[in-house]
Amino acid sequence: GQSLEQPSEVTAVEGAIVQINCTYQTSGFYGLSWYQQHDGGAPTFLSYNGLDGLEETGRFSSFLSRSDSYGYLLLQELQMKDSASYFCAVQGGGFKTIFGAGTRLFVKA
Amino acid sequence: KAGVTQTPRYLIKTRGQQVTLSCSPISGHRSVSWYQQTPGQGLQFLFEYFSETQRNKGNFPGRFSGRQFSNSRSEMNVSTLELGDSALYLCASSFKGGYQETQYFGPGTRLLVL
Repeated sequence: GQSLEQPSEVTAVEGAIVQINCTYQTSGFYGLSWYQQHDGGAPTFLSYNGLDGLEETGRFSSFLSRSDSYGYLLLQELQMKDSASYFCAVQGGGFKTIFGAGTRLFVKA
Repeated sequence: KAGVTQTPRYLIKTRGQQVTLSCSPISGHRSVSWYQQTPGQGLQFLFEYFSETQRNKGNFPGRFSGRQFSNSRSEMNVSTLELGDSALYLCASSFKGGYQETQYFGPGTRLLVL
C-alpha cells in the first residue's frame, strides 16, 4: 500500500523554529512536496524535493532522504500567520499524488 | 492569470440524490486532479484527467465519476449520495500533471449530505 505518516499536531511559540516530519511508504517515488492550508482556504504549494538534501525558500526549508523514506519541513522565525495545516505529498508515478493526513500547527504568542 | 475556479462553492443534498461539481483550471493547464478532504483524513485522491482522458483513479466506489472536456474544464459526479460523502471536494490543475509540477488548488466545493 501507499501511506504517509506525519504528526497530527504541533505547537510552537512565535519566533521559534519548528520541524514537521513525514515518512512515506509508496510503490513508486518521484518527489516529496509540502502544502499549506489555512482554515477555510485551499492548499497552496510550499516546497518540493526531488533529490536528497535541503531546499530553502525564505523562512521555509524542506529536506528529503530517499534512502530513509523521510522528509521534513522546517519553519523558522515562526509568525502567527503560520498557524495552519501542513501536508506532505508524494508523487509516486501514474499521475497520482498521495497526501498525508496533515499536521496542524498552532503558533502561540 | 485567473486561478482555479470551482462551482458551486456550497451544496446541500439529501441521501440518494446525485451531484455534479465543476472545475475550471488555470488557463493553459491540461491536467486536473480531484480530491476529497474530510477532517483528519487529509486529501484523498479521486482521479486525474489529462486531455479528456482519465489517467489514474483512487480507491473510491463507482458512484464517483468524472470527465474532462476539450477546454480542460472538468466535472465530477457523485450518484446515490451517502452521509459519508459530506466533505470538501478540491480540484487542482497543472500543466501536464508531471511529477515536478506544482498543483494549484481551487477553493473547493463544500458538500453536505443530509
